[in-house]
Amino acid sequence: AQSVSQHNHHVILSEAASLELGCNYSYGGTVNLFWYVQYPGQHLQLLLKYFSGDPLVKGIKGFEAEFIKSKFSFNLRKPSVQWSDTAEYFCAVNGGYTGFQKLVFGTGTRLLVSP
Amino acid sequence: GAGVSQSPSNKVTEKGKDVELRCDPISGHTALYWYRQRLGQGLEFLIYFQGNSAPDKSGLPSDRFSAERTGESVSTLTIQRTQQEDSAVYLCASSLGQLPDEQFFGPGTRLTVL
Repeated sequence: AQSVSQHNHHVILSEAASLELGCNYSYGGTVNLFWYVQYPGQHLQLLLKYFSGDPLVKGIKGFEAEFIKSKFSFNLRKPSVQWSDTAEYFCAVNGGYTGFQKLVFGTGTRLLVSP
Repeated sequence: GAGVSQSPSNKVTEKGKDVELRCDPISGHTALYWYRQRLGQGLEFLIYFQGNSAPDKSGLPSDRFSAERTGESVSTLTIQRTQQEDSAVYLCASSLGQLPDEQFFGPGTRLTVL
């Protein structure tokens, strides 16, 4: 079955630091990849997605992610974080054995940005 | 426009009671999904609707869980004879039902079983 691993469960950064959150998935075939964010007290929102084409995907609020098929990875990056980026970040994938309907999520990474 | 809405936002119940959770998807979205998020864990898929039919129920954890969707709109998730391990946030999402697709999530229902 498809699985998603997020290596960092908690990350603490100072404002202006660079961010990279790891995400690896298990299936090597055709997949769609997503990063969702959940700000405190808010519901899950889409940050960015990869369906096909350019493996470097730009999302909202200055986030980007790079799909590296050979490494089964879709790491999330931001060059300079802000206090308002404090949130929980989830990587998700669909495709392969699980089909393209349901999403398989990682366990999430809690990011705390100190001002 | 209006997003996915869910009700109630919080539900506290006693072990053994039945509960119903409601989801109103975005208008025009033919696909609807239920997920569960237990404390400290990622979201786990429960069931998927395309229109009013459920081609994938593979994530329902036991026969105490059931869901239906009517009028290609509202969906209800029913948990019978609730157990403490059912305590979680239950999230609903909807999408256009086309491939590739993006799911839009509701705020969730926090269920606490005492």
